[in-house]
Amino acid sequence: SQKIEQNSEALNIQEGKTATLTCNYTNYSPAYLQWYRQDPGRGPVFLILIRENEKEKRKERLKVTFDTTLKQSLFHITASQPADSATYLCALDEGGSYIPTFGRGTSLIVHP
Amino acid sequence: EADIYQTPRYLVIGTGKKITLECSQTMGHDKMYWYQQDPGMELHLIHYSYGVNSTEKGDLSSESTVSRIRTEHFPLTLESARPSHTSQYLCASSVRQGAYEQYFGPGTRLTVT
Repeated sequence: SQKIEQNSEALNIQEGKTATLTCNYTNYSPAYLQWYRQDPGRGPVFLILIRENEKEKRKERLKVTFDTTLKQSLFHITASQPADSATYLCALDEGGSYIPTFGRGTSLIVHP
Repeated sequence: EADIYQTPRYLVIGTGKKITLECSQTMGHDKMYWYQQDPGMELHLIHYSYGVNSTEKGDLSSESTVSRIRTEHFPLTLESARPSHTSQYLCASSVRQGAYEQYFGPGTRLTVT
């Protein structure tokens, strides 16, 4: 069956460090992968999208990698700040339908 | 911040009642979606629409219905609320083609007693 795995344990890091979150998937051939941020009680907010033919993409302090061989995406936040504390969701779509499937998300806590 | 609105934000209602959750967007997006999310869990797609008069069921059978009479409006109706419907309901929209990112509303927290 198709599965998206994100670490269910919260990631605790110190301010200024780089946070790295992982999204693994099985039985998908995604055309693209997205990362969203979700704060408690709020809807997700789109952050960045990477396509299957892109190995890496950057946007301000964010960097995403996409390894279709390992079936994995890594999401990095450099120079992390307490305001970055939130749950981060990955979502992938095999293309064409505009219907992404979301993972459960990983909680990031940045300590001052 | 995206211009997508949901009302009410919170709703407590008794079993058997009919409810409608409202969702509106002012961005002219063709595609709209309804998701259900429990705390710490993934978003489950309930319904989606590719445009006016287009509605499809998602993976989650939630005993709800939707309509899309106008581009900007995508209400979700539960004919008979049950305690198992207690959850967070999120509405989202996206542009027609070439862009895959979704814009989400703030959500409606529904509690059925």
